[in-house]
Amino acid sequence: AQSVTQLDSQVPVFEEAPVELRCNYSSSVSVYLFWYVQYPNQGLQLLLKYLSGSTLVKGINGFEAEFNKSQTSFHLRKPSVHISDTAEYFCAVRSNNAGNMLTFGGGTRLMVKP
Amino acid sequence: DSGVTQTPKHLITATGQRVTLRCSPRSGDLSVYWYQQSLDQGLQFLIQYYNGEERAKGNILERFSAQQFPDLHSELNLSSLELGDSALYFCASSRGADYNEQFFGPGTRLTVL
Repeated sequence: AQSVTQLDSQVPVFEEAPVELRCNYSSSVSVYLFWYVQYPNQGLQLLLKYLSGSTLVKGINGFEAEFNKSQTSFHLRKPSVHISDTAEYFCAVRSNNAGNMLTFGGGTRLMVKP
Repeated sequence: DSGVTQTPKHLITATGQRVTLRCSPRSGDLSVYWYQQSLDQGLQFLIQYYNGEERAKGNILERFSAQQFPDLHSELNLSSLELGDSALYFCASSRGADYNEQFFGPGTRLTVL
């Protein structure tokens, strides 16, 4: 079975500061990893994904994430956040042996303050 | 806009009732997925259909059922509703059965009173 843990339920940060949202996963097989963002009253939008290759993945809106197999982590980072980045962020994993279903973490609410 | 549409946007009903949620996938996508987002359970995968056939099953209750029609739209049927079924129900679609990128619809918010 696979699982995803997002270590922080809320992350407050000031505008233009850097931010890191943490994600750890557990799976006995190879995985594909995703970060989704959910703005208030909207669906989920894919930010970035790791399928294979370079462990540093760049996504939309200036976000990037690094896959670390030894630490089973896939932390999301942005060097300078904007007020408009305020949203809920979900880390998700898909294992090779689990069909195409996504297993999501509990979410991290990023609150960007002026 | 992901291209995935869901209706209705909001649904308010009473315990014991039955409702149907509808999803139209992106043009060309053959797979449809249903997820439930609730405060206590988070985001959970319910079921996947691919080209009309059930492909994968997750934590879907026996009171819930789904189907995908020949035109590829999907319906999620929830019956004998309980207060705990109140949640946001998302539909997602992808090109193939195992294609990695899923595109999510805006969701249907179900409130059971």
